[in-house]
Amino acid sequence: GAVVSQHPSWVICKSGTSVKIECRSLDFQATTMFWYRQFPKQSLMLMATSNEGSKATYEQGVEKDKFLINHASLTLSTLTVTSAHPEDSSFYICSAGTGSSGANVLTFGAGSRLTVL
Amino acid sequence: DAKTTQPPSMDCAEGRAANLPCNHSTISGNEYVYWYRQIHSQGPQYIIHGLKNNETNEMASLIITEDRKSSTLILPHATLRDTAVYYCISFSSNTGKLIFGQGTTLQVKP
Repeated sequence: GAVVSQHPSWVICKSGTSVKIECRSLDFQATTMFWYRQFPKQSLMLMATSNEGSKATYEQGVEKDKFLINHASLTLSTLTVTSAHPEDSSFYICSAGTGSSGANVLTFGAGSRLTVL
Repeated sequence: DAKTTQPPSMDCAEGRAANLPCNHSTISGNEYVYWYRQIHSQGPQYIIHGLKNNETNEMASLIITEDRKSSTLILPHATLRDTAVYYCISFSSNTGKLIFGQGTTLQVKP
């Protein structure tokens, strides 16, 4: 089945630094990937849609300059949290779709837990 | 995407069927019903999806009412490993986005 890999699975950084999270589709090509954020005891919140070869589309309230998304190939999207602060500490999850007639089963990565000190 | 409503929590005895309801009364004709689950600190796992017909796979069955305003996910023989948060999501190929609600926390008990 389709597999989506995220790296790193967890990261701790100092306030003010930037952190890059990678999302790879291992056995399929994904023109579109999605990035979510999840705070403790809350549901997943869609942050942005990552489109291969074009700019990402951000959901309302998500700062595009804060969360930089690059989708340079059909198998890789990256999320960079710039100038991270403690309030950016969260569980970041990506997903990618295999696509089929009207339905699109999205496969999720295992997530990346970011802790900003 | 249509909003879905699920009970916040449910319990189920191990070995029994778990029936998880979902209301999606504003769902439109081209929106699918998807079910995912999330085990603690992991990414969501796809379970099943359907448009208007009932569906079954190796994990579960999905029963969609004729008017499509509600559905039920059935785990036929729940195990302790099925303890998770279950999300019912209406998906439109127009947007291509999966928007998660609060889900149902299913606790399978011995």
